[in-house]
Amino acid sequence: GAVVSQHPSRVICKSGTSVKIECRSLDFQATTMFWYRQFPKKSLMLMATSNEGSKATYEQGVEKDKFLINHASLTLSTLTVTSAHPEDSSFYICSAPLGGAGTDTQYFGPGTRLTVL
Amino acid sequence: KQEVTQIPAALSVPEGENLVLNCSFTDSAIYNLQWFRQDPGKGLTSLLLIQSSQREQTSGRLNASLDKSSGRSTLYIAASQPGDSATYLCAVPLKAAGNKLTFGGGTRVLVKP
Repeated sequence: GAVVSQHPSRVICKSGTSVKIECRSLDFQATTMFWYRQFPKKSLMLMATSNEGSKATYEQGVEKDKFLINHASLTLSTLTVTSAHPEDSSFYICSAPLGGAGTDTQYFGPGTRLTVL
Repeated sequence: KQEVTQIPAALSVPEGENLVLNCSFTDSAIYNLQWFRQDPGKGLTSLLLIQSSQREQTSGRLNASLDKSSGRSTLYIAASQPGDSATYLCAVPLKAAGNKLTFGGGTRVLVKP
């Protein structure tokens, strides 16, 4: 099956620093990728849609200046948490769908655990 | 706005029992419904995807049914094993929202040996 990777798998940083998380589709191209956030023992919450060649679209309540998304190529999207604070500590997961909109299985990355001290 | 609910939130069964996990959604205009498994601290593994035109999908010991008109899906896991212990999530994309998935809260399953 299709594979999506994330890097790093775990990061600990000091408050005020910026952290970049990469999401790669390893064996397929993805014009769209999605970024989710998951709090402990909670479900996934969609943060934004990453679009190759255009700006990301953010869900209501998600600060675009806080969570910068860049879809650099058909296989890479990055999420940068700027000026991270302890409340940004969470599990971040990306996904990428095979093929066209709405009809295909989505493949998820293994997630990145961010801890802000 | 689509809302997805999973009941129960947690389930504990002895090894060998069949598992029945429920998922309900409020807006029936969905492209498909997908069931995922998540182990603690890990990403999601896709288990089954049911297209909106289908009524069920099977893979090994897993069977998922879909009733769009009533906004329900059920995941059956036959003859449960301790290795089935995980959180199971269902998710749906609205037709109008492309691939954006709305997730249920998940059901945490513990299969006791």
